[in-house]
Amino acid sequence: AQSVAQPEDQVNVAEGNPLTVKCTYSVSGNPYLFWYVQYPNRGLQFLLKYITGDNLVKGSYGFEAEFNKSQTSFHLKKPSALVSDSALYFCAVTWTGRRALTFGSGTRLQVQP
Amino acid sequence: DSGVTQTPKHLITATGQRVTLRCSPRSGDLSVYWYQQSLDQGLQFLIQYYNGEERAKGNILERFSAQQFPDLHSELNLSSLELGDSALYFCASSAGLAGLNEQFFGPGTRLTVL
Repeated sequence: AQSVAQPEDQVNVAEGNPLTVKCTYSVSGNPYLFWYVQYPNRGLQFLLKYITGDNLVKGSYGFEAEFNKSQTSFHLKKPSALVSDSALYFCAVTWTGRRALTFGSGTRLQVQP
Repeated sequence: DSGVTQTPKHLITATGQRVTLRCSPRSGDLSVYWYQQSLDQGLQFLIQYYNGEERAKGNILERFSAQQFPDLHSELNLSSLELGDSALYFCASSAGLAGLNEQFFGPGTRLTVL
């Protein structure tokens, strides 16, 4: 079955340190991968997406993600975390012929000052 | 601000009742998606409309229905409500029909069924 997994419920990182939020997917065919962020009492905000082309995708607020086909992963990264990055992060996948997103379970990022 | 609006922000109702959630997409977007977010099920796709027509269906219960009007706003109707329907309901919109277009989410409607 087509799916996406976020193996960590929570990631803790100190401000100024690099951060990584993990995502793996299982899709037959070509995946289209997305990252969204959700702040408390807010809707989801689009961060970045991979459709095709360069495996390193740059997005909003200094975030980037690397598509790795052999490891079926799409980890979200940022070189230097900010306290304001603390939020819930969702990885999502869709594929050719499917119109809706399938979301992972979410990872709570906590950046400590 | 995503440009997607949802009303009401909060809704408290009783079991067995019927409610309507409303969504206005971003200007120019023809696709509207509905999602349900709950603690036990996570974020689940319910249904998609494109330019007034239903185009994709997800885990939507038979007690739930939706429509998209000529002005492109959409309504999600939930009937015979049960305690388990308590959740955050999001509307999202995108420019095109295909899933590879990024979706822009509204702030959500929090439904509490007592």
